[in-house]
Amino acid sequence: KAGVTQTPRYLIKTRGQQVTLSCSPISGHRSVSWYQQTPGQGLQFLFEYFSETQRNKGNFPGRFSGRQFSNSRSEMNVSTLELGDSALYLCASSRQSSSPLHFGNGTRLTVT
Amino acid sequence: AQKITQTQPGMFVQEKEAVTLDCTYDTSDQSYGLFWYKQPSSGEMIFLIYQGSYDEQNATEGRYSLNFQKARKSANLVISASQLGDSAMYFCAMRKNSGGSNYKLTFGKGTLLTVNP
Repeated sequence: KAGVTQTPRYLIKTRGQQVTLSCSPISGHRSVSWYQQTPGQGLQFLFEYFSETQRNKGNFPGRFSGRQFSNSRSEMNVSTLELGDSALYLCASSRQSSSPLHFGNGTRLTVT
Repeated sequence: AQKITQTQPGMFVQEKEAVTLDCTYDTSDQSYGLFWYKQPSSGEMIFLIYQGSYDEQNATEGRYSLNFQKARKSANLVISASQLGDSAMYFCAMRKNSGGSNYKLTFGKGTLLTVNP
């Protein structure tokens, strides 16, 4: 069974640009969550989607947005990139609320 | 609000020995879940073990066991017979198991485990 797939693995962008990250969950998983990991702040929850609806959102500015498609694949978008957005962005999927989250390999974003 | 504390920034263990990674948590929720994840240098978060707040027995998964002490609000991870491949960052996390925040995990800062040959 294929795991959570995130693309691309690495991204380098400049300040002011925008970026879109992609996540394909494990087959049959309808929930997709996004997390940001930085050395200073650790792992922080961005948002969670279930059946194309955003159910939860973390404490991030509106520049961070996402969506989920009917096949459960999800995208995350960051507009007007700032240096502080440099981080590892992890996507996770889960079948139901009592199940553990399974993470992908992450997308490492560097903003210069 | 939920909070996870991992007091050991780094731990060293000899190959084939057991090691305990500490995790304490704070929550006012009655129903919650506790997780341990392993993150190698490659970045992927690997799920290791899960303990529900109402589970009476401590969870075990192969060489991993979770020492759950509810009254003390602790959920320590025990790795038996350490292997060189166990060298990684380990994160303790928790999630409320009711209401609309089911899928939000709160993570600790992590413990970097190094297994010496």
